[in-house]
Amino acid sequence: DTEVTQTPKHLVMGMTNKKSLKCEQHMGHRAMYWYKQKAKKPPELMFVYSYEKLSINESVPSRFSPECPNSSLLNLHLHALQPEDSALYLCASSQAVTADTQYFGPGTRLTVL
Amino acid sequence: GQNIDQPTEMTATEGAIVQINCTYQTSGFNGLFWYQQHAGEAPTFLSYNVLDGLEEKGRFSSFLSRSKGYSYLLLKELQMKDSASYLCAVRNTGGFKTIFGAGTRLFVKA
Repeated sequence: DTEVTQTPKHLVMGMTNKKSLKCEQHMGHRAMYWYKQKAKKPPELMFVYSYEKLSINESVPSRFSPECPNSSLLNLHLHALQPEDSALYLCASSQAVTADTQYFGPGTRLTVL
Repeated sequence: GQNIDQPTEMTATEGAIVQINCTYQTSGFNGLFWYQQHAGEAPTFLSYNVLDGLEEKGRFSSFLSRSKGYSYLLLKELQMKDSASYLCAVRNTGGFKTIFGAGTRLFVKA
């Protein structure tokens, strides 16, 4: 089973809203990632968690707040977003943060009004 | 700096063979990945190369030359469903970061 699930599939929010994106995997992977992808662009790394600890924050604005409650779950809390934050948000996981294949979830299509 | 180059678009005919090239310059190298991404969907893993040479997996093959900073993805017996973007991605030394190329949009025509 190489499945990573993400909810919701689509999200529309206003600039004053607070919402959360959720990601789950049951493959025993110890590394989890958040990527942001704009149309016709490659995925851009936002955060990396290794063994439930934040390893990389790619200078992401504080209106994005990641959380890793346990080894299977990864959240991304959103607050006071801007319209330019509208994108496809992808979660991925891998066995470890070394040269292992990352498996992507289906993504959450976020629109900020 | 870090740079991954791929052609922006390619067009090929159903049943044919197509080769998608990727050149890279990264701070260290710890593996190269190819992903397929259909419009509006998540990338799906196709292949992984860490040593020089050819890796074959069904209709897909991937080649790597570390000394040249070069890889290609070969798709044989093209099908209409192969129309998608193909992303070349390099894992840097230390393994924490994977850098993605901009992707090559492949159009397969009848």
